[in-house]
Amino acid sequence: GAVVSQHPSRVICKSGTSVKIECRSLDFQATTMFWYRQFPKQSLMLMATSNEGSKATYEQGVEKDKFLINHASLTLSTLTVTSAHPEDSSFYICSASRPEGVKPQHFGDGTRLSIL
Amino acid sequence: AQSVAQPEDQVNVAEGNPLTVKCTYSVSGNPYLFWYVQYPNRGLQFLLKYITGDNLVKGSYGFEAEFNKSQTSFHLKKPSALVSDSALYFCAVRDKGSTGFQKLVFGTGTRLLVSP
Repeated sequence: GAVVSQHPSRVICKSGTSVKIECRSLDFQATTMFWYRQFPKQSLMLMATSNEGSKATYEQGVEKDKFLINHASLTLSTLTVTSAHPEDSSFYICSASRPEGVKPQHFGDGTRLSIL
Repeated sequence: AQSVAQPEDQVNVAEGNPLTVKCTYSVSGNPYLFWYVQYPNRGLQFLLKYITGDNLVKGSYGFEAEFNKSQTSFHLKKPSALVSDSALYFCAVRDKGSTGFQKLVFGTGTRLLVSP
């Protein structure tokens, strides 16, 4: 079964709206979670690394004020797309890995964000 | 920085035939390599990983991959393809981010189409 749950799976909203996406690790504690963005027919682009209890680490070129990340607990990270515009429309995916050893990342099912 | 390359955008194979999806890597030190599969509008599913040990790694759904150090390759293989294997496949390598956190760097993906 799924070990990482991501909600919502799809969002359609008007330009200017802020959208929150949740990522939960279901059966393990994840001190680190990752947020990716995927454009059509392209690979995953890492946006930021979400760290429990501290600030997220953003990749170069990703606007911190645009994509707010909160990792308030060991099982939940949220990504908020603030004042979304059509160019923010994309497929957003989160992932988490068990902390011990070299473990594969487990991915959520993604969120399709469409800004009208 | 670590990187992987997937030279083929698409691979076509008939059901029942063997399949190979290619991946080459560029790393400093020992590579930690992964294969993931993505079905439409879904997150990524882990297939297999290479950390150390046997060069032939067996994974989920009958897939395997061969680590070849001399050719810096980690090709994904399956002896007999199924139509249900049709999906997008990503090769990935673990890399250390600027702040020390481990992250995955993905290839551009290869679309596998298995015809009946």
